[in-house]
Amino acid sequence: GIQVEQSPPDLILQEGANSTLRCNFSDSVNNLQWFHQNPWGQLINLFYIPSGTKQNGRLSATTVATERYSLLYISSSQTTDSGVYFCAVRFGGYNKLIFGAGTRLAVHP
Amino acid sequence: DGGITQSPKYLFRKEGQNVTLSCEQNLNHDAMYWYRQDPGQGLRLIYYSQIVNDFQKGDIAEGYSVSREKKESFPLTVTSAQKNPTAFYLCASSTPAGAGETQYFGPGTRLLVL
Repeated sequence: GIQVEQSPPDLILQEGANSTLRCNFSDSVNNLQWFHQNPWGQLINLFYIPSGTKQNGRLSATTVATERYSLLYISSSQTTDSGVYFCAVRFGGYNKLIFGAGTRLAVHP
Repeated sequence: DGGITQSPKYLFRKEGQNVTLSCEQNLNHDAMYWYRQDPGQGLRLIYYSQIVNDFQKGDIAEGYSVSREKKESFPLTVTSAQKNPTAFYLCASSTPAGAGETQYFGPGTRLLVL
């Protein structure tokens, strides 16, 4: 069946470290988004990236649609990066986004 | 200020009671969504609406109802038929649902059962 898998499930970093979060999906997609959920529950859209590479400050994302994965890079992490990062995809023929289980990130000073 | 508002922030429900969660957006988006999030879990779709006066069930619609009488508003009612309603409820909106949509979320409502 259709699946969205994120890894690692949990990640602990020291401030200033870099990290890579991964999202694998089971079929071709026409929409892929990365979200950050802060400790208070608010979800913020980081990237709309069904293919290619985008950068926004210390964050960047790459989706290789033909190999069915996407990567989110966080450089020089800060404590404010803590929270849960979700990948969400829309598979062809479906009319809704499907969310992965998320990667829980804790950045310590 | 454009955005999505949800109220209340916290809501307490007694046994057998129906409660309604409010979601309003001023982004002029056609599509709106309700998600449920349980502790430590991802988001699951309850209902969605692509246009006024139309809505569809998501993956976990049982025990919930919605209406979409205005473009700006998409209230969710948690009925007494929902036996385990304690969760964090998130409302979202987007440009027309489809391949290019980008979803924007409200701050959420935490529902607790007394």
